[in-house]
Amino acid sequence: NAGVIQTPRHKVTGKGQEATLWCEPISGHSAVFWYRQTIVQGLEFLTYFRNQAPIDDSGMPKERFSAQMPNQSHSTLKIQSTQPQDSAVYLCASSRGLGSSYEQYFGPGTRLTVL
Amino acid sequence: GQQVQQSPASLVLQEGENAELQCNFSTSLNSMQWFYQRPGGSLVSLFYNPSGTKHSGRLTSTTVIKERRSSLHISSSQTTDSGTYLCALDSSNTNKVVFGTGTRLQVLP
Repeated sequence: NAGVIQTPRHKVTGKGQEATLWCEPISGHSAVFWYRQTIVQGLEFLTYFRNQAPIDDSGMPKERFSAQMPNQSHSTLKIQSTQPQDSAVYLCASSRGLGSSYEQYFGPGTRLTVL
Repeated sequence: GQQVQQSPASLVLQEGENAELQCNFSTSLNSMQWFYQRPGGSLVSLFYNPSGTKHSGRLTSTTVIKERRSSLHISSSQTTDSGTYLCALDSSNTNKVVFGTGTRLQVLP
């Protein structure tokens, strides 16, 4: 079991460019979560999917950020017109489900730097 | 307000000393999970502990739901324990995972 896979590990973009981050959850896990981590804000929940359906995106900035899960083997987080304040480590996690019986497993993260 | 409060925010120990990290929460929970993160590293799950006490080597986690707290005890600390310790709860109100602000631990030789 390779664990949660995130690519790329590091991404540098210029202001205004688009960035797409990829996550491959653990096989058999039905829930996928996206988080953002910065020194100032700590870990912030962005969005999650259950059985590929978006359940809650209340943590996502309403503009420029979007997430999809086209199949059970991967999810993407897309940031359009990146800004320097988007610089952060973006973490993906998966679990067998939601609720009291399910532990989250995290990927290594993608460090996004917007110049 | 902040749903999950961690204390202390930072802690410096001499190698061999014990540490007690606290996580207090203001919402009902489905689960509680403790993570360890080395600077620049990913999150490693230490305990998935919705209630009661669990042990793993020198680590002990205790969650008392009715008191809305969870603790992480590190005994005989080692320099390799240095890093950030985060608690995260899966809220039964929102079905959303909320992280604490973390405790930064430094263990000196």
